[in-house]
Amino acid sequence: GAVVSQHPSWVICKSGTSVKIECRSLDFQATTMFWYRQFPKQSLMLMATSNEGSKATYEQGVEKDKFLINHASLTLSTLTVTSAHPEDSSFYICSARGKTHAKLNTDTQYFGPGTRLTVL
Amino acid sequence: ELKVEQNPLFLSMQEGKNYTIYCNYSTTSDRLYWYRQDPGKSLESLFVLLSNGAVKQEGRLMASLDTKARLSTLHITAAVHDLSATYFCAVPWWFSNQFYFGTGTSLTVIP
Repeated sequence: GAVVSQHPSWVICKSGTSVKIECRSLDFQATTMFWYRQFPKQSLMLMATSNEGSKATYEQGVEKDKFLINHASLTLSTLTVTSAHPEDSSFYICSARGKTHAKLNTDTQYFGPGTRLTVL
Repeated sequence: ELKVEQNPLFLSMQEGKNYTIYCNYSTTSDRLYWYRQDPGKSLESLFVLLSNGAVKQEGRLMASLDTKARLSTLHITAAVHDLSATYFCAVPWWFSNQFYFGTGTSLTVIP
């Protein structure tokens, strides 16, 4: 249980285009989802926290107009990189925190497999 | 802001040897997580440490937590090549439950 999927796994796009990444909790309802970015050989940096039905909370230095986050349901959050540029190329990882469930540790974040974005 | 530091950043060790990775964090937390990341992959959960004095072991890895010292250790016993990966500790921020990740330790086990 507690599986989180991301789609796509990797994407290559041209500079100036927008890219949408989906994060889904497959077998549990996620009240909160987190979006991280990881540059090569670096740690994960939290970009934003997304709560279902409300606006995302962005970390300092993350442009909310560039990285649009939507958490439309308890199982889906999307990250849209608008007008992508080569410096946005990175590994994007989402995680989901579950609602109270008998078999689920609600204090644990469950990580998706990541999406590698390359902007040419 | 919570700061999480790992030591060392890079580690190269021979098979069969033992070593410890350290994770220090800057503010109070009663929980800590350890993850493994292989190149090009996402995070794999290794350990969840939920209280002071918690110790967990899985195979050649053992993790412990000292909340008073704000320190966790990941001990590697008799390393094997399959353990080569990057290891991260993560500490939840009590206010928002977001995770703060350590700097990561890149481990290479040499035959």
